[in-house]
Amino acid sequence: KQEVTQIPAALSVPEGENLVLNCSFTDSAIYNLQWFRQDPGKGLTSLLLIQSSQREQTSGRLNASLDKSSGRSTLYIAASQPGDSATYLCAVRPRGQNFVFGPGTRLSVLP
Amino acid sequence: DTEVTQTPKHLVMGMTNKKSLKCEQHMGHRAMYWYKQKAKKPPELMFVYSYEKLSINESVPSRFSPECPNSSLLNLHLHALQPEDSALYLCASSQSERAVSTGELFFGEGSRLTVL
Repeated sequence: KQEVTQIPAALSVPEGENLVLNCSFTDSAIYNLQWFRQDPGKGLTSLLLIQSSQREQTSGRLNASLDKSSGRSTLYIAASQPGDSATYLCAVRPRGQNFVFGPGTRLSVLP
Repeated sequence: DTEVTQTPKHLVMGMTNKKSLKCEQHMGHRAMYWYKQKAKKPPELMFVYSYEKLSINESVPSRFSPECPNSSLLNLHLHALQPEDSALYLCASSQSERAVSTGELFFGEGSRLTVL
């Protein structure tokens, strides 16, 4: 059974720092991996989708990488801003199953 | 338009009430999902509809009854709920349940349900 973990569980950084969020999964047989952002009490906003054949995807200040063989993905946020404060979740799509979510990383960017 | 719309945003109901949550998408997606999310936890899958047919029911109690009237709409009918059912209910859609290359999941803003 696919399991997804995220490290760290919470992170607090000063504005302007570059930061990395980590996602690990136990079974490398996946279709894709998706990163989401969730503000308190709100729905999930899709940030980046990486297909199993891809190594990375970029959108603005965000860059997500995927290493299937080691069961890892990282989300890199450049020049962090207070508006980036949210919970970041990764989800993997195992073959033959629906998305499995990680527990999330709660990010606080301090002005 | 990459929007999934959920109504109502907030719902308070007693344990004997009957209410419904509604979800709509106009992206031509053929898979729609209901998730339940408790505070500080990831979303938990409840139901999946694929081409308007229920394909997955994750052992959800019968007091939750999903309905997919057409390819754009998804309802969740609620009856005789318990206080522990209070949560954020999220609707999502994707192009296809089994799509390999187009499996991006899009979520609505959620319906915050409180059961008294």
